[in-house]
Amino acid sequence: DGGITQSPKYLFRKEGQNVTLSCEQNLNHDAMYWYRQDPGQGLRLIYYSQIVNDFQKGDIAEGYSVSREKKESFPLTVTSAQKNPTAFYLCASSMKGAGEKLFFGSGTQLSVL
Amino acid sequence: GENVEQHPSTLSVQEGDSAVIKCTYSDSASNYFPWYKQELGKRPQLIIDIRSNVGEKKDQRIAVTLNKTAKHFSLHITETQPEDSAVYFCAAKNDYKLSFGAGTTVTVRA
Repeated sequence: DGGITQSPKYLFRKEGQNVTLSCEQNLNHDAMYWYRQDPGQGLRLIYYSQIVNDFQKGDIAEGYSVSREKKESFPLTVTSAQKNPTAFYLCASSMKGAGEKLFFGSGTQLSVL
Repeated sequence: GENVEQHPSTLSVQEGDSAVIKCTYSDSASNYFPWYKQELGKRPQLIIDIRSNVGEKKDQRIAVTLNKTAKHFSLHITETQPEDSAVYFCAAKNDYKLSFGAGTTVTVRA
């Protein structure tokens, strides 16, 4: 399971709480992505980063925030503004920010208490 | 933005038969079309991809065809085996972003 690691595997959020999902890669990839997976809706892009200290909003960025202070790390914070956070979150990386040949992590299942 | 539609949502085939999944995309500027396979409880993995300057690509039992004029592409799996049972996602790339279809759950019956 080397390459790209997500933690924790399961996470529970209380009302009004911010939670942070971790994503670390040792593939030396420039680009990293966060996707949300809901049943029957495929994967939807939350944020992506093509280079350190730079990131762009995806299609469903509201209620989420990210940082990219190191090439290896791209944490995602689910804020209290995200009213429907229950989902499976997938982190991915690729070389040179081309959006091609994505390598995915094993995912984090976030649930609301 | 890009909109990718995928059909069917579920597909049940007899072992040894072929399976076909179809996707359409909306943005003619999209130029890269990958297919990902996600087995139950596992991460999605790239199984085959095709670029817009190619009409067909094959890798052992799987093949992908692309019709740029009609803006649709398809995944073909021949001689299906039980290990082909999974959720398959198509996607289309525009700039740096991949837009995914909703997925097709394929079940191979023994």
